[in-house]
Amino acid sequence: GNSVTQMEGPVTLSEEAFLTINCTYTATGYPSLFWYVQYPGEGLQLLLKATKADDKGSNKGFEATYRKETTSFHLEKGSVQVSDSAVYFCALRNQAGTALIFGKGTTLSVSS
Amino acid sequence: GAVVSQHPSRVICKSGTSVKIECRSLDFQATTMFWYRQFPKQSLMLMATSNEGSKATYEQGVEKDKFLINHASLTLSTLTVTSAHPEDSSFYICSAAAGTSGSADTQYFGPGTRLTVL
Repeated sequence: GNSVTQMEGPVTLSEEAFLTINCTYTATGYPSLFWYVQYPGEGLQLLLKATKADDKGSNKGFEATYRKETTSFHLEKGSVQVSDSAVYFCALRNQAGTALIFGKGTTLSVSS
Repeated sequence: GAVVSQHPSRVICKSGTSVKIECRSLDFQATTMFWYRQFPKQSLMLMATSNEGSKATYEQGVEKDKFLINHASLTLSTLTVTSAHPEDSSFYICSAAAGTSGSADTQYFGPGTRLTVL
């Protein structure tokens, strides 16, 4: 079946450090891939997405590239800020439907 | 962006009682709403999909008689956990999709409801 695996946290970084959160997936066909972010006390927000192989999603300095050959969608940011502290969820949407399948989430904590 | 609220944010109840959780889209009409459940350090698991005015579609393994979903209007969906037991304790999250396609691209999530059953 379809599944998403992302690195376990927490990830603790200093401000301006480089961030990578790994995400790999298992799916049939050609799923769409997403990163969601959940700030403390708030609901999940779509951060970025990619709908086909080699697409790069980007937003707020974050990037992720849909790699079909490695079934990966790693999240990166060149210089994190304290305000980036949140829980990040990798997710996929099966080509056939609208249900989102989530990874377990990775907590990021950035200190100044 | 679009805002989705959930009420209550936290509820504690006794075993055997029923609990209702509301999910509202505050500034848009949601043709489709989704209910997820999240265990500690686990993924969000889709429980059911509800469309306004019709019966919810439940995922495999989710008891529809235990988790009653009502989507009576384009801005409100409710999840009622009937005869709750301690194993129902969890974090329940709803999301609402704007537009007619119900695509995940336009899903807006509520902040979640923490249910604890004693």
